[in-house]
Amino acid sequence: DSGVTQTPKHLITATGQRVTLRCSPRSGDLSVYWYQQSLDQGLQFLIQYYNGEERAKGNILERFSAQQFPDLHSELNLSSLELGDSALYFCASSVSSGLAYEQYFGPGTRLTVT
Amino acid sequence: GNSVTQMEGPVTLSEEAFLTINCTYTATGYPSLFWYVQYPGEGLQLLLKATKADDKGSNKGFEATYRKETTSFHLEKGSVQVSDSAVYFCALSPGGGSQGNLIFGKGTKLSVKP
Repeated sequence: DSGVTQTPKHLITATGQRVTLRCSPRSGDLSVYWYQQSLDQGLQFLIQYYNGEERAKGNILERFSAQQFPDLHSELNLSSLELGDSALYFCASSVSSGLAYEQYFGPGTRLTVT
Repeated sequence: GNSVTQMEGPVTLSEEAFLTINCTYTATGYPSLFWYVQYPGEGLQLLLKATKADDKGSNKGFEATYRKETTSFHLEKGSVQVSDSAVYFCALSPGGGSQGNLIFGKGTKLSVKP
C-alpha cells in the first residue's frame, strides 16, 4: 500500500459525458502527478501540481483539467469524453517537486467510455 | 525531445534464469533514470533508480547501471523467481528545474514459470 488513494476504482460512462477522478496523496506530500496508461500510448504524464499550483504540463488534452485543493487532494476532470479516453488513470505523490523525490503511485482509476 | 525505448515483451523465463531487459533513452541535459514495476491489478512501485552517470541502482536482487556513453539503463537479475512476474517500466526524469514528471517506456511484461 503506497498511501495514495484514488476513487473511484472503476468508472463506466458514455461518450460526451464528463467525469471527475479523485486522488488523495500520502500524508505530508505536497506534489501530485497525474498519468494516463492506455494500450496504444503507454504511460503518459498529464499534469503536476505542487502545493496547490500547477507545476508542469505534459500531454494533457484541452478537454481535461485538474486542480489541487488546500487540503492537497487533487481532482482530474475529463469532459466531452471519447472512446479513446478509455484508460487507466494514475495519480502519484511526492514530498516535494523535483527528480530527487520518489513518486508513490496510487492503484489507479479504470475509465471505460462506451 | 526526451524518450525511453525498452525491449518489447512479453519475456518468458524459467525460475532461476538470468534476466536482462534492455532500456535506452534520449534526453537533453542530465536525466535521472528509474525502473518501476507493476504487479497485476496494482499501481507502479519504484524498483531502483540512478541519478548520474556510472551510478548503479539496486534493489531486491535487481540492478541497473546508468551508462551515459551508450545512453542505456538495462535491468538485470541473476536468478528470477515466480514472484518477479510483472510489467517492468524504464523511465527518466529530465534533468534541471524543479519538475519531477516521469517519461516512461512502453513496459515489458515478464512471466516466470516454475
